[in-house]
Amino acid sequence: QQQVKQSPQSLIVQKGGISIINCAYENTAFDYFPWYQQFPGKGPALLIAIRPDVSEKKEGRFTISFNKSAKQFSLHIMDSQPGDSATYFCAASMTYTGNQFYFGTGTSLTVIP
Amino acid sequence: GAGVSQSPRYKVAKRGQDVALRCDPISGHVSLFWYQQALGQGPEFLTYFQNEAQLDKSGLPSDRFFAERPEGSVSTLKIQRTQQEDSAVYLCASSSGSNTEAFFGQGTRLTVV
Repeated sequence: QQQVKQSPQSLIVQKGGISIINCAYENTAFDYFPWYQQFPGKGPALLIAIRPDVSEKKEGRFTISFNKSAKQFSLHIMDSQPGDSATYFCAASMTYTGNQFYFGTGTSLTVIP
Repeated sequence: GAGVSQSPRYKVAKRGQDVALRCDPISGHVSLFWYQQALGQGPEFLTYFQNEAQLDKSGLPSDRFFAERPEGSVSTLKIQRTQQEDSAVYLCASSSGSNTEAFFGQGTRLTVV
């Protein structure tokens, strides 16, 4: 059973546009929600993360929006650049499991120049 | 080193062969995780160590998979009698504590032929 559901599977955006990736979860015990960026042949790298006590977190061009009541969170990439082309994974974890991450299935983002 | 180091980067094994995958976490990180990432999928949890203690091995797919971290630093994931379905990228991650950023290595790509 997929603990975290992610959509879309793939996304093509023009340079300068906004990329939006959505995730949903069921387990209300989750209390940490990171987004990871993965380039081919590399391990996932943390992009930005949020905890459920805030509804939005922004770091540069990357913003997480978090809706606790709907159990949904999303990643917005503003002014998307070709260098942002990668696979993005949302994840969730709960403190008492020691930070085991439950990952979404990934979104392959392509930013067209 | 500065990051999580995994070796080998690539491993080709004949079906039935035993393999050992090594992970050197970031120095001082108490938490260590192993994940399995199938092609085009998100990482899936295998096992978790806190120092030398294996606190969760619920994700190990069969008794052919075994992990250890005897001195609380370097970890080894061993797969006995490899099968074709074991072909995947095996990722190691470490973190300094619960619900803190996890840093991933580049992974070991295992191909069973």
